[in-house]
Amino acid sequence: EAQVTQNPRYLITVTGKKLTVTCSQNMNHEYMSWYRQDPGLGLRQIYYSMNVEVTDKGDVPEGYKVSRKEKRNFPLILESPSPNQTSLYFCASSLFSGNYGYTFGSGTRLTVV
Amino acid sequence: GENVEQHPSTLSVQEGDSAVIKCTYSDSASNYFPWYKQELGKRPQLIIDIRSNVGEKKDQRIAVTLNKTAKHFSLHITETQPEDSAVYFCAASKGGNTGKLIFGQGTTLQVKP
Repeated sequence: EAQVTQNPRYLITVTGKKLTVTCSQNMNHEYMSWYRQDPGLGLRQIYYSMNVEVTDKGDVPEGYKVSRKEKRNFPLILESPSPNQTSLYFCASSLFSGNYGYTFGSGTRLTVV
Repeated sequence: GENVEQHPSTLSVQEGDSAVIKCTYSDSASNYFPWYKQELGKRPQLIIDIRSNVGEKKDQRIAVTLNKTAKHFSLHITETQPEDSAVYFCAASKGGNTGKLIFGQGTTLQVKP
């Protein structure tokens, strides 16, 4: 089944403790992206990747890192999480760029205390 | 920068009535306009999209119209049903190297039985 797999689904952590949210797609998509969803703000892009080893900042990249060492994986790294990063995170992939429909992962609800 | 405004933020209709959600975009180079439906606790899912060379597209009870001159596009849902209740997001993209989808803020649609 074609899908984007995110883990974990739920995560509660403490301020400053490094964490990684994994994202993997099995559709051979070139484009992958991370979004955060907050009430009233819609979906805001954190980072995106056009292909392996090609990543760039989205609208809200501060406090986040990503890597794209393999085509299928695009992990989101929070080196030192803070409470303002408490949010619902979605990974998404697309065949090529943003001109094709995105497939979203199931989401990760992160709480930083 | 690029911006997508979505209205209304909430919409309540009676079952069987029509619902219309409108979005305006700022970048005249945008050429791809998808709509996503997000049910409570679930991931956004693509329900319909339109490209700039088309003025209208229909899929059963849903349709999208695009007015490039005015830079706005709309989602129309006819004969609404309770299962249409969800948050709907519009988005716009101009493709190219950034491949970025810019999302609207979302509309919460409630269909009352």
